[in-house]
Amino acid sequence: QVQLVESGGGVVQPGRSLRLSCAASGFIFSSYAMHWVRQAPGKGLEWVAVISYDGGHKYYVDSVKGRFTISRDNSKTTLYLQMNSLRPEDTAVYYCARGGYSIYDASEIWGQGTRVTVSS
Amino acid sequence: DIQMTQSPSSLSASVGDRVTITCRASQSISNYLHWYQKKPGKAPKLLIYSASSLQSAVPSRFSGSGSGTDFTLTISSLQPEDFATYYCQQTDITPYTFGQGTKLEIK
Repeated sequence: QVQLVESGGGVVQPGRSLRLSCAASGFIFSSYAMHWVRQAPGKGLEWVAVISYDGGHKYYVDSVKGRFTISRDNSKTTLYLQMNSLRPEDTAVYYCARGGYSIYDASEIWGQGTRVTVSS
Repeated sequence: DIQMTQSPSSLSASVGDRVTITCRASQSISNYLHWYQKKPGKAPKLLIYSASSLQSAVPSRFSGSGSGTDFTLTISSLQPEDFATYYCQQTDITPYTFGQGTKLEIK
């Protein structure tokens, strides 16, 4: 069945790095844009980044620009989020989500999330 | 950035009630507006895409309308499983912003 499974979360000190992965299965991964969305404790949903189906276009929310990098390996059907210079305000559950062929499409399929805690 | 403002922020209602949630964009976003349901500890679930299209397998009591800057999500007859937080999101211009959420609680 169509599935997204995130991994790589954990507890990390401020200023350190973490890489999240999102393993996709059950659909043609290389045909879909992919997103990262996060939810901080007690807060709403915040869109983080999107990557086009071929990796040629990437966009970020301002608060992570220059620190986070979204990437994908279509041969491994896996989405990544490299997070550098982490801050306490990056603490959240991070979800990967499948968009459509276009980056403008809604996010139809979501993973269960991976928790990231940035704390000394 | 485009600001998405939902109202109300919270709402108490009873099973069987008709409920409407509104979402206003700070500039026109055509119909690049989507609605999600979020329950604690669960992944968000897409309900309505492109303002008014019902996502597959979502009950028909959910409906969406609007274009430009003003949008609504309507639940025609609340069911117990509908008590959750609802978010609108625009995907017209990055960053793809969400509304602050509307928490729907049991009266």
